[in-house]
Amino acid sequence: EAAVTQSPRNKVAVTGGKVTLSCNQTNNHNNMYWYRQDTGHGLRLIHYSYGAGSTEKGDIPDGYKASRPSQENFSLILELATPSQTSVYFCASGGGLGGDTQYFGPGTRLLVL
Amino acid sequence: GDSVIQMQGQVTLSENDFLFINCTYSTTGYPTLFWYVQYSGEGPQLLLQVTTANNKGSSRGFEATYDKGTTSFHLQKTSVQEIDSAVYYCAMRENYQLIWGSGTKLIIKP
Repeated sequence: EAAVTQSPRNKVAVTGGKVTLSCNQTNNHNNMYWYRQDTGHGLRLIHYSYGAGSTEKGDIPDGYKASRPSQENFSLILELATPSQTSVYFCASGGGLGGDTQYFGPGTRLLVL
Repeated sequence: GDSVIQMQGQVTLSENDFLFINCTYSTTGYPTLFWYVQYSGEGPQLLLQVTTANNKGSSRGFEATYDKGTTSFHLQKTSVQEIDSAVYYCAMRENYQLIWGSGTKLIIKP
């Protein structure tokens, strides 16, 4: 079964600080995704990747960077965190060409003070 | 562009009631449509996938179909239980991504 893990599970950061959220998948999926989830907005795509070395902008990329150093790992980086980035962040992985199921991690709760 | 609209933000039912959640979609192609379920404290997980209009997908007592004529797809369950309390998302595939509805929170009164 698909296994996607995220770390940390909870994070408190200060405004202006740097935050890195990590995601690991053990399914050899090509595609990986970062979403944020806020009440009233559902899931919004921040960045995604087709494979190691690739990152693409999603619908709301401003204020975020992404890094895919390997097939298994995909990171989301907030260089200068702001309170508006307080949210729950989900990582997901999926198979090859479009149409494959996305498998989600358990989420990271980020609070920016 | 392609879009998915999920109008019901919250549905409150009693145990053994009938569940019906509806989404509408807009696309120029032949969509593959999904229903995901998110339980409290977890990430979303796939519940059903429907790839052909008027065909039914089914899982865990849930059924999903889509109607190309009305560009709508729905999720239903004959008799909901308390364990079905969750947020249900409809989604549509677009290239390598999913276009998500805004979610329907299902509350089951004991």
